[in-house]
Amino acid sequence: QKEVEQNSGPLSVPEGAIASLNCTYSDRGSQSFFWYRQYSGKSPELIMSIYSNGDKEDGRFTAQLNKASQYVSLLIRDSQPSDSATYLCAGHQAGTALIFGKGTTLSVSS
Amino acid sequence: DVKVTQSSRYLVKRTGEKVFLECVQDMDHENMFWYRQDPGLGLRLIYFSYDVKMKEKGDIPEGYSVSREKKERFSLILESASTNQTSMYLCASSPALDNEQFFGPGTRLTVL
Repeated sequence: QKEVEQNSGPLSVPEGAIASLNCTYSDRGSQSFFWYRQYSGKSPELIMSIYSNGDKEDGRFTAQLNKASQYVSLLIRDSQPSDSATYLCAGHQAGTALIFGKGTTLSVSS
Repeated sequence: DVKVTQSSRYLVKRTGEKVFLECVQDMDHENMFWYRQDPGLGLRLIYFSYDVKMKEKGDIPEGYSVSREKKERFSLILESASTNQTSMYLCASSPALDNEQFFGPGTRLTVL
């Protein structure tokens, strides 16, 4: 069974700090990865996608992909209380749907 | 913007009832998915469809069936609802299997 693994947390950071969320995957053939944010009681919403090794930046968010080490990370700079949510990592497994991790809960304290 | 809608936000049914959950997307996506989400278990794929009338089992298809008669609509059917099917049900769509998925708002189903 190919998997995407995340530390469930909770990860607690103070307002203004950098939050670092990590994800590892078992399928070496995975080519595309996605980060979703899910507020309590709501559905997941896409915040970042990454397909190539290296960094991809979008505002306060940076996704990092290292295919050799099979990990994906999400950095949130200048964390805000509104960033408090569960973050889901997903990777694509050939021939089927995305594989989702169970999510990491982030808590940003003001 | 992609819009995925689900027929109900909250639903309460009794054990043994047949339950239909409807999902509609307006972006002409080929692929549609049904998940359930439970605390501590994450998102679990029930079924997905890559074309009209085509379907594939996900990780937990037992007790469920699906129907896709039109490209924009994907239905999840609980043939005989049981209490262990109480959950949040999420529908999603995507243009290709390796693309991002767009989720509907979810249906919180309670089976009494």
